[in-house]
Amino acid sequence: SSELTQVPAVSVALGQTVRITCQGGSLRKYYANWYQQKPGQAPLLVIYGKNSRPSGIPDRFSGSSSGNTASLTVTGTLAEDEADYYCQSRDSASSLLWVFGGGTKLTVL
Amino acid sequence: EVHLVESGGDLVQPGRSLRLSCAASGFTFDDYVMHWVRQAPGKGLEWVSGISWNSRSIDYAESVVGRFTISRDNAKNALYLQMNSLRAEDTALYYCARETNDYGTSYYFDFWGQGTLVTVSS
Repeated sequence: SSELTQVPAVSVALGQTVRITCQGGSLRKYYANWYQQKPGQAPLLVIYGKNSRPSGIPDRFSGSSSGNTASLTVTGTLAEDEADYYCQSRDSASSLLWVFGGGTKLTVL
Repeated sequence: EVHLVESGGDLVQPGRSLRLSCAASGFTFDDYVMHWVRQAPGKGLEWVSGISWNSRSIDYAESVVGRFTISRDNAKNALYLQMNSLRAEDTALYYCARETNDYGTSYYFDFWGQGTLVTVSS
């Protein structure tokens, strides 16, 4: 099965820009989706596909992809953006198989 | 409004069985692929299993193959996960999630329940 690799933790100063990356072979074929999870809450979709945001997600969240690496960028980071972020991709083996990255803890300083 | 409500989580001994349920409302349930995703305490998300709208396509993570069975009852708007031969490493919060797509291009999980806790311990 496929694997997605994320850096365990990143930090960013309030108001600055941060990029969270996700690497994996399946990303050469599929776009990554990104989920935000705050303590005690269910995951929340923030970016899907090439670079789409669900209704209600601020435009400071954006996504990009190159080769086997997908990135989530938060521009003008707010304190409320402090959370765990997970990338997700289909597994190449089956349309029903999915894989998540290990997650990145974003700390806003 | 879309709602997914999981239930059935409990404290069980290793080797025992448990059945989780997910009650769906606010959308046409049989239009959607559904999934189970779990999260061990303090750990990341792990996809567990998915089922097509008509139950003809089903898949499992390697970690649960042969022990877990996903099913759905479209008449009851319900998703299930039968978990047998439970192990300590199955201890997790189990979420059900709806998969959707953007006109057949991008696929993603747009709604999640709040989860039900399964603890496997003697």
